[in-house]
Amino acid sequence: GAVVSQHPSRVICKSGTSVKIECRSLDFQATTMFWYRQFPKKSLMLMATSNEGSKATYEQGVEKDKFLINHASLTLSTLTVTSAHPEDSSFYICSATERAGGTQYFGPGTRLLVL
Amino acid sequence: KQEVTQIPAALSVPEGENLVLNCSFTDSAIYNLQWFRQDPGKGLTSLLLIQSSQREQTSGRLNASLDKSSGRSTLYIAASQPGDSATYLCAVRRWGTSYGKLTFGQGTILTVHP
Repeated sequence: GAVVSQHPSRVICKSGTSVKIECRSLDFQATTMFWYRQFPKKSLMLMATSNEGSKATYEQGVEKDKFLINHASLTLSTLTVTSAHPEDSSFYICSATERAGGTQYFGPGTRLLVL
Repeated sequence: KQEVTQIPAALSVPEGENLVLNCSFTDSAIYNLQWFRQDPGKGLTSLLLIQSSQREQTSGRLNASLDKSSGRSTLYIAASQPGDSATYLCAVRRWGTSYGKLTFGQGTILTVHP
């Protein structure tokens, strides 16, 4: 089956620093990747949708200058949390799909803790 | 705006019981509906995907049904096992949604005790 990986799986950083999270599709080409955020005991909240080679589409209320998304190739998308603050601490999950409307395959998630 | 609700929020059953998880959605114009499993601190594993034209899908001990007109789906788990303990999420993809955006429910936390 299709596999999506995320790196790192866990990161702790100081307030004010930037953190980059990678999402990779290992055995398929992902035309579209999605970034979600999940708070404890809550459901997934879509942050943005990215298509290879174009700018990401952000959901309402998500700061695009705060959460920088780059989808430079068909197998890699990155999410950079800039000037992280404790309220950015969360579980970030990416998903990838080969085609628009196709099955989304989810990564294992990255837990971010900002001190 | 699509809203997805899952009932119950939590469920605890003894091993061997058959159980049903419910999912309802407010906008019936969906492309498909997907059930996922999430273990604590982990990502999502897709269990079943039902296209809008389908009524049900089966995989092993799992059976998912879809009644699009009433905005409901159920996930039936037969002969539950402790290894089934996890959070179960349903998500719908709306027709016309750019690039297939999913709207998730809050999830049902299932505990199967020996």
